[in-house]
Amino acid sequence: QVQLKESGPGLVKPSLTLSLTCTVSGFSLSSYGVIWVRQPPGKGLEWMGVIWGNGNTNYNSALKSRLSISRDTSKSQVFLKMNNLQTEDTAMYFCARSADFWGPGTMVTVSS
Amino acid sequence: DIQMTQSLASLSASLEEIVTITCQASQDIGNWLAWYQQKPGKSPQLLIHSATSLADGIPSRFSGSRSGTQYSLKISRLQVEDTGIYYCLQRYSNPWTFGGGTKLELK
Repeated sequence: QVQLKESGPGLVKPSLTLSLTCTVSGFSLSSYGVIWVRQPPGKGLEWMGVIWGNGNTNYNSALKSRLSISRDTSKSQVFLKMNNLQTEDTAMYFCARSADFWGPGTMVTVSS
Repeated sequence: DIQMTQSLASLSASLEEIVTITCQASQDIGNWLAWYQQKPGKSPQLLIHSATSLADGIPSRFSGSRSGTQYSLKISRLQVEDTGIYYCLQRYSNPWTFGGGTKLELK
């Protein structure tokens, strides 16, 4: 069955770079897009970006200068990297297959 | 960017009541609209895709409709397990955008 799971450091210091991994199973990354969505505590959902089945990417314009999404299809993994983290980047980070199947999320706290 | 507006931030309804949650798009998005339910501490669950199509495993009391650029999610007979926050998402153009959410509680 389709599964996604996010993994990451949990705690990141301000100004540093966040690296998250989304490990998928039950489908091919070459056939489906994977999106990243984040949710600050107590707030709504924010679409961050997508890597399509053909490897092309699109990003939220508000994050584009700091954000990069890539993948390793042989390992069924999608990667998110976002630099210059600030406290307002504290959020639950989700990956999802084309927004139909979602991972459980991973909490990222930005704090010194 | 396309703006998705859920005018009601919260809604309270009784068991078995009919509930309608709406989402207004700032421009034409066709049927590229999905609805999600999110429970505390959980990831969003897809309820409706393509504006009107029920996702797999979702009870038939949920339905979606469209009138121009206004989209609605209807729960025909509210159940206890339907409480949560409901979000719409437009997938018509990048960046995809979510509505602000409507919190549904039992009266």
